[in-house]
Amino acid sequence: GQNIDQPTEMTATEGAIVQINCTYQTSGFNGLFWYQQHAGEAPTFLSYNVLDGLEEKGRFSSFLSRSKGYSYLLLKELQMKDSASYLCAVMDSNYQLIWGAGTKLIIKP
Amino acid sequence: GAVVSQHPSRVICKSGTSVKIECRSLDFQATTMFWYRQFPKKSLMLMATSNEGSKATYEQGVEKDKFLINHASLTLSTLTVTSAHPEDSSFYICSSGTGENRETQYFGPGTRLLVL
Repeated sequence: GQNIDQPTEMTATEGAIVQINCTYQTSGFNGLFWYQQHAGEAPTFLSYNVLDGLEEKGRFSSFLSRSKGYSYLLLKELQMKDSASYLCAVMDSNYQLIWGAGTKLIIKP
Repeated sequence: GAVVSQHPSRVICKSGTSVKIECRSLDFQATTMFWYRQFPKKSLMLMATSNEGSKATYEQGVEKDKFLINHASLTLSTLTVTSAHPEDSSFYICSSGTGENRETQYFGPGTRLLVL
């Protein structure tokens, strides 16, 4: 079966760095996405990786290793507004998104 | 990024009534739209894939007669929850892709449905 694993919850301090991991097992691979979702709101797109390596976009970076079925989202200079759930999703061979359950990130002052 | 709107944002209805949710792509043509539902503290669950001008493709376990999807134009898809019951109360979200390979789905703001 298809499976996406990510930690349920993480806590970090304002101004620090946090890494949210995601491992996946899917039938085929057409890219991996990270989305941010604040409570009560729809997800917003953060990043898309289809090749191995690190993609940097401001304070957020996303890394992919296809051979290991592994990705991480790195958030630097954490701000209180970064408190949210972070969803990892993989697009399979049928171009269907398989979603992880999300990681709730709590930022403390 | 692309803009997707959803209406209404919140609806409360009585059990047994039908509710229509609209999803519009405001600045691009969406040949494909996706409908999700999300229960509290749970991940997104794909309900169906809506293709313009053809019948929607429903995921296993989703009743097509209960969740009617119409994608009549390239900018509008609708989801109608027929004969709603309290267990249908959920957060319904639509999304649409703009990339050639349907990458980078952009989500509507979601519709929170409460059935009394």
